[in-house]
Amino acid sequence: GENVEQHPSTLSVQEGDSAVIKCTYSDSASNYFPWYKQELGKGPQLIIDIRSNVGEKKDQRIAVTLNKTAKHFSLHITETQPEDSAVYFCAASYSGGYQKVTFGTGTKLQVIP
Amino acid sequence: EAQVTQNPRYLITVTGKKLTVTCSQNMNHEYMSWYRQDPGLGLRQIYYSMNVEVTDKGDVPEGYKVSRKEKRNFPLILESPSPNQTSLYFCASRRDPGLTSNEKLFFGSGTQLSVL
Repeated sequence: GENVEQHPSTLSVQEGDSAVIKCTYSDSASNYFPWYKQELGKGPQLIIDIRSNVGEKKDQRIAVTLNKTAKHFSLHITETQPEDSAVYFCAASYSGGYQKVTFGTGTKLQVIP
Repeated sequence: EAQVTQNPRYLITVTGKKLTVTCSQNMNHEYMSWYRQDPGLGLRQIYYSMNVEVTDKGDVPEGYKVSRKEKRNFPLILESPSPNQTSLYFCASRRDPGLTSNEKLFFGSGTQLSVL
């Protein structure tokens, strides 16, 4: 089955700096890669996703890149703000029919004001 | 408001005392799933349901049961809880899993369970 590894497990950045979280996956059939943000006391929420036919996707200060050959994808947050502090999960699945979503182990991001 | 509602938010129980965590969604989603979140292990799927009366095991189903008698409800049952089931539990739902445009999972706020 699919295995998703996520690094780092914790990340501290100064407000205004960039943050990068990296994930690797094992199953070359996976073609959908979402990122979820979990704020304290809440459930995860989808913040951005990317499909395997795209190499990069941006949404304001958030971007995701995908390297299919190397089987890794990354989340980039620019101009970090205190409200970006949360746990971030990457995930991988095969899009189409039933898709089992395999999550990474999470990254706790702390943005220091 | 579209949401997934779990109850209770916090639960402390003792080994062997049967408990049920409820989950309800108001979005008419076909797919529902339960996850547990443990430090260093991320989110692991316990059980999922493709539709009413259709359920299947996820990665860590041992010690858990589920039922899907109605589309909106997907309770998680621990018939004889043990301390290793102490965890943060999340219910999630998604629209028709047969459509590639509907991959977004909607999560509940979580249930923190402690089994003493």
